[in-house]
Amino acid sequence: QVQLQESGPGLVRPSQTLSLTCTVSGGSISTTDYYWSWIRHHPGKGLEWIGYIYYSGSAYYNPSLKSRVAMSVDTSKDQFSLNLNSVTAADTAVYYCARDAPYGLHAFDIWGQGTVVTVSS
Amino acid sequence: DIQMTQSPSSVSASVGDRVTFTCRASEGISTWLAWYQQKPGRAPKLLIYAASRLQSGVPSRFSGSGSGTDFTLTISSLQPEDFATYYCQQAFTFPRSFGQGTKLEIK
Repeated sequence: QVQLQESGPGLVRPSQTLSLTCTVSGGSISTTDYYWSWIRHHPGKGLEWIGYIYYSGSAYYNPSLKSRVAMSVDTSKDQFSLNLNSVTAADTAVYYCARDAPYGLHAFDIWGQGTVVTVSS
Repeated sequence: DIQMTQSPSSVSASVGDRVTFTCRASEGISTWLAWYQQKPGRAPKLLIYAASRLQSGVPSRFSGSGSGTDFTLTISSLQPEDFATYYCQQAFTFPRSFGQGTKLEIK
């Protein structure tokens, strides 16, 4: 079955760029059925959707983060990535990658285990 | 953007109880609503999609209902493993948005 796994630094300095990668295993990222999303969970708060990327490279970002976010996809490696620039302590969170099934379940049906990112000097 | 509001923010209950959570959308979302369960240190798990459809492998004690702006998640008979935080999420449009969560605690 399809599994997702996040990877990347756990500590990022303020004003720097947070970079994470999600690897898809057990299936191909090159499918028309799914969007590949990033979601974060701030300590003690709710879940925030960051955006998605399609296998073709088209993307949609949350307007609240749009000026600082970029996503990319590498179909040869079944990976997609998140870059968030100019980070502050407010970007400290658990970051998840997740599969969005917009034409079927209309829900995030598969999630990575999450990776903790701390923004601190 | 569509805002999702959950109530209550926390609830205490006992094993065997029936509990109901509420989620309200700031505008109509038809039945494009999902419910997730999250335990500490774990990723959210999809329970319900399309407002009332049970995800594969989820126990039948979980059920969802609603359409438009008002939705509910019901657990018919609480089990020890059900104590967690529950989130609703609208899948009607982008940006996707989640409720702030309802924490279910043991009484």
